[in-house]
Amino acid sequence: EIVMTQSPATLAVSPGERVTLSCGASQSISTKLAWYQQKLGQAPRLLIYRASTRAAGVPDRFSGSGSGTEFTLTISSLESEDFGVYYCQQHDDWPQTFGQGTRLENK
Amino acid sequence: QVELQEAGPGLVKPSETLFLNCSVSGYSISSGFYWGWIRQSPGKGLEWLGSVFRTGSTFYNPSLTSLHSRVTVSVDTSKNQFYLRLTSVTAEDTAVYFCAKDAGYMYGYFDTWGRGTLVTVSS
Repeated sequence: EIVMTQSPATLAVSPGERVTLSCGASQSISTKLAWYQQKLGQAPRLLIYRASTRAAGVPDRFSGSGSGTEFTLTISSLESEDFGVYYCQQHDDWPQTFGQGTRLENK
Repeated sequence: QVELQEAGPGLVKPSETLFLNCSVSGYSISSGFYWGWIRQSPGKGLEWLGSVFRTGSTFYNPSLTSLHSRVTVSVDTSKNQFYLRLTSVTAEDTAVYFCAKDAGYMYGYFDTWGRGTLVTVSS
């Protein structure tokens, strides 16, 4: 199976900052990558699919980029509601697999 | 608006069978899409278990050798529900179980999730 690796594991940031999260795949997945946001006690919420397409209702401060094995999720200006854990997931090959997550904490 | 809601026992004894159901509202399962189960535990993170189509066609995660032959996903379109059955549970099956809607026909990513249900395996 394809192994997804996210970095960093934890990131301390302040509202208003630009945030960049990284995700790597153990083999090329083209642009078949999704990003999810999970807040404490809630289900994951789909943010981005196919590497750069925002899901319905997702604010445009969230953007995704990358292809092949290296991907990035960028939050252009962090808002207080954006704290939580972010997961990447490849949907190129079966079984689909998730990264271990990056936790955004308030600095 | 599509909504999913998991239901099942919060506590299961080792070696017993776990049965969860997912009720779908706002969309008819008969209309399409795949419907899946994902679990989350502190040690293993998010794991896709399997998905089912309205016809009963299923896909399972072949990499989860600990689940091999123990997991069954099924659907009842008349009730607009789908199900997870996991036999011979152990402490390693303790997790939050989510049901979710695939964005398409095994597109592989999930655009709508239930709130999740915590299942603890303990005697």
